[in-house]
Amino acid sequence: EDQVTQSPEALRLQEGESSSLNCSYTVSGLRGLFWYRQDPGKGPEFLFTLYSAGEEKEKERLKATLTKKESFLHITAPKPEDSATYLCAVQALYGGATNKLIFGTGTLLAVQP
Amino acid sequence: DTGVSQDPRHKITKRGQNVTFRCDPISEHNRLYWYRQTLGQGPEFLTYFQNEAQLEKSRLLSDRFSAERPKGSFSTLEIQRTEQGDSAMYLCASSSGTSGVRGTDTQYFGPGTRLTVL
Repeated sequence: EDQVTQSPEALRLQEGESSSLNCSYTVSGLRGLFWYRQDPGKGPEFLFTLYSAGEEKEKERLKATLTKKESFLHITAPKPEDSATYLCAVQALYGGATNKLIFGTGTLLAVQP
Repeated sequence: DTGVSQDPRHKITKRGQNVTFRCDPISEHNRLYWYRQTLGQGPEFLTYFQNEAQLEKSRLLSDRFSAERPKGSFSTLEIQRTEQGDSAMYLCASSSGTSGVRGTDTQYFGPGTRLTVL
């Protein structure tokens, strides 16, 4: 069964303290891996799509990387406004194409000033 | 580009009542998705439309749930005979249908409808 596991469940950082969030996935063929940010009471906000092992994408203080079994979201010198839940999702290849996203449970990031 | 909108943002109802939610996708997006999210969990897929055709339904979508997208624009999600276990955030997403790498396209989410069943 296709599955996404994120760790840690929660992470508390001091402002400027870099760290990484992990997303491990098991999928019957990967079409794409997606990172979203979700603020409390709001819908997920798209960050990145990764397709192939070795691929990297960057946006401001965030960098996402992909291997054959996991993805990392690296946060460099975080600020309090980076506090949010970060969700990882995969889109799988079946016999035919399916468009649903399979999400992990997220990592709740808190950045203290 | 006004983004995905959902109405209402919050709904409180009593067990056994019917509720209906509306989703307006980003204009010209022909794909529309419904997800459900409970506290501390990631969103779970419910159903997917391409234009007006409902192409995929999750096992989570029991016979009390029905979704429509009559003219290929906005969509409604109805829950009949609500139960306390239906309390959740109901999220709508849309995508352009313009296939990128391996046929993917990015799903953009609305703000959600928070349902509380008393």
